[in-house]
Amino acid sequence: AQSVTQPDIHITVSEGASLELRCNYSYGATPYLFWYVQSPGQGLQLLLKYFSGDTLVQGIKGFEAEFKRSQSSFNLRKPSVHWSDAAEYFCAVGAAGGSYIPTFGRGTSLIVHP
Amino acid sequence: DAMVIQNPRYQVTQFGKPVTLSCSQTLNHNVMYWYQQKSSQAPKLLFHYYDKDFNNEADTPDNFQSRRPNTSFCFLDIRSPGLGDAAMYLCATSRQGIREKLFFGSGTQLSVL
Repeated sequence: AQSVTQPDIHITVSEGASLELRCNYSYGATPYLFWYVQSPGQGLQLLLKYFSGDTLVQGIKGFEAEFKRSQSSFNLRKPSVHWSDAAEYFCAVGAAGGSYIPTFGRGTSLIVHP
Repeated sequence: DAMVIQNPRYQVTQFGKPVTLSCSQTLNHNVMYWYQQKSSQAPKLLFHYYDKDFNNEADTPDNFQSRRPNTSFCFLDIRSPGLGDAAMYLCATSRQGIREKLFFGSGTQLSVL
């Protein structure tokens, strides 16, 4: 079965600084990878996803993520963080040939200082 | 133009008193999901429907039931809530398929007194 680890519970950055949120997955074959964001009081919203092809994927709100098979990672990045990016970020992995339902990580809470 | 709507936003119930959470969708998706989310934890899938085909996760307590009377609506029934059931409950929908993204409602925050 697939699994996903988000090693950082909280990340604090200053507004305008760059951001990288870590995600490591465990799955034997090529995974399907997602990043979701949950703003306070809201449901989860898809930021971006990776299925195949170019390992650098662009998402909404200026986010991007890079799939690195050798490191089993799919880290989320943003070059310049805005205060409105403060939220909970969830990485998820789906497995081809398995359940089509993605497995979520526990999330990373992003705190943005002015 | 809300697409997945959950009511109520906050629900308070008493220990052991049955409670029902509701979810509706305007997307006409054939898959609907219920997740339980506790603080600092991953959303935990309780069950999902593919059309009317009900799929229960192996570790979902018997205390939790679900109904899907039609494509648009889905209900989560907690027959005898315990203190440990206090959580955010998220409803989501999607088309079926590994590549399909999930659309989430804003959730219902359940408190058990």
